[in-house]
Amino acid sequence: GAVVSQHPSWVICKSGTSVKIECRSLDFQATTMFWYRQFPKQSLMLMATSNEGSKATYEQGVEKDKFLINHASLTLSTLTVTSAHPEDSSFYICSAAPGTYNEQFFGPGTRLTVL
Amino acid sequence: AQSVSQHNHHVILSEAASLELGCNYSYGGTVNLFWYVQYPGQHLQLLLKYFSGDPLVKGIKGFEAEFIKSKFSFNLRKPSVQWSDTAEYFCAVNAGNTDKLIFGTGTRLQVFP
Repeated sequence: GAVVSQHPSWVICKSGTSVKIECRSLDFQATTMFWYRQFPKQSLMLMATSNEGSKATYEQGVEKDKFLINHASLTLSTLTVTSAHPEDSSFYICSAAPGTYNEQFFGPGTRLTVL
Repeated sequence: AQSVSQHNHHVILSEAASLELGCNYSYGGTVNLFWYVQYPGQHLQLLLKYFSGDPLVKGIKGFEAEFIKSKFSFNLRKPSVQWSDTAEYFCAVNAGNTDKLIFGTGTRLQVFP
């Protein structure tokens, strides 16, 4: 149980385009979903926390207008990287938690490459 | 601000050797503590967690960790590693009143047969 999926697993796009990444909890309802960014050989950096039906809470230094997060249902959150640039190339990972202060279950990640 | 330190960035061991990976955090209040593992090409998986109770926590695959509050530490141990333990290990903390996880920088473990 407690499976989280991400789609796509990898994406290559041109500079200036927007990319949407989906995160789904497959067998549980996720009150909260989290979006992380992982640079090569580095740790996961929390970008934002999203709760179903409300606006996401962004971490300091993360541009809200660039990284749009929508948590439309208890099983789906999306991250849209708008007007992507090469410096946005990274590994984006989502996680989902079934309740408050619960363990987080991680998705497999999405590799974004912006040319 | 909360932070998590993992002092060992890269550990190389032979099979059957004992393992201890350090993890220290900075936060004075109640914390929940986690160790996650990321096998090559796979997603993060939970090894073990501490919320309260017995400070010696046993996890999957023979791993255990000990929470020492006075040292702000949560070191991961395994008495005898296997080649299949080769992976990246992340310590993570969340303060007792938040959902956010703060991750350490990770330790890359390589186990040679």
